[in-house]
Amino acid sequence: SAVISQKPSRDICQRGTSLTIQCQVDSQVTMMFWYRQQPGQSLTLIATANQGSEATYESGFVIDKFPISRPNLTFSTLTVSNMSPEDSSIYLCSAGEPEGSADPSYEQYFGPGTRLTVT
Amino acid sequence: GQNIDQPTEMTATEGAIVQINCTYQTSGFNGLFWYQQHAGEAPTFLSYNVLDGLEEKGRFSSFLSRSKGYSYLLLKELQMKDSASYLCAVRDRERGSTLGRLYFGRGTQLTVWP
Repeated sequence: SAVISQKPSRDICQRGTSLTIQCQVDSQVTMMFWYRQQPGQSLTLIATANQGSEATYESGFVIDKFPISRPNLTFSTLTVSNMSPEDSSIYLCSAGEPEGSADPSYEQYFGPGTRLTVT
Repeated sequence: GQNIDQPTEMTATEGAIVQINCTYQTSGFNGLFWYQQHAGEAPTFLSYNVLDGLEEKGRFSSFLSRSKGYSYLLLKELQMKDSASYLCAVRDRERGSTLGRLYFGRGTQLTVWP
């Protein structure tokens, strides 16, 4: 199993500013994922973060708005840039398969989430 | 793309059995997962199916039919603590990749009454 921590757990930010969310995994993993969950909604995949290459973004999400870093196999950051109230959401980090494994049955673990409110 | 559909809400009474259905359409199917999410908490893994059939794990069972693009989660002997959102998720593997991304349905909010 993997234990995932995120910082900050919550924040209230002003419109037009940026916030960087940190995600730390207690083991080396090949893929890390960032999701957004708006109130009462399910999880929407923002992007996949791989070490050593640029993140892969899902339709509707762009690098300028959500830049991602993945400096090593246990850490990633997501920045929410030039925020607007529509960005208010919970942002969750998730970890995929352990490094060196290609087992598709491996479950994804989730961090506790970062609750972002933009005023 | 992915198209994952599940009911928005369900209710049941303590001790009963409930079945939550999920249908999906995906181009690179590589497994179906069920997660449980209590309000304000992160999703937690319940089950995984990649082959057709039923997987049983205690009070929870999950079924998959790949030809029909259909799965269900069966919860037996319901308890009050089972009140939560149940998320159906499909792993979609990119062409040429052994790994895949997990895409979620909108979740089914289950309320268990005493």
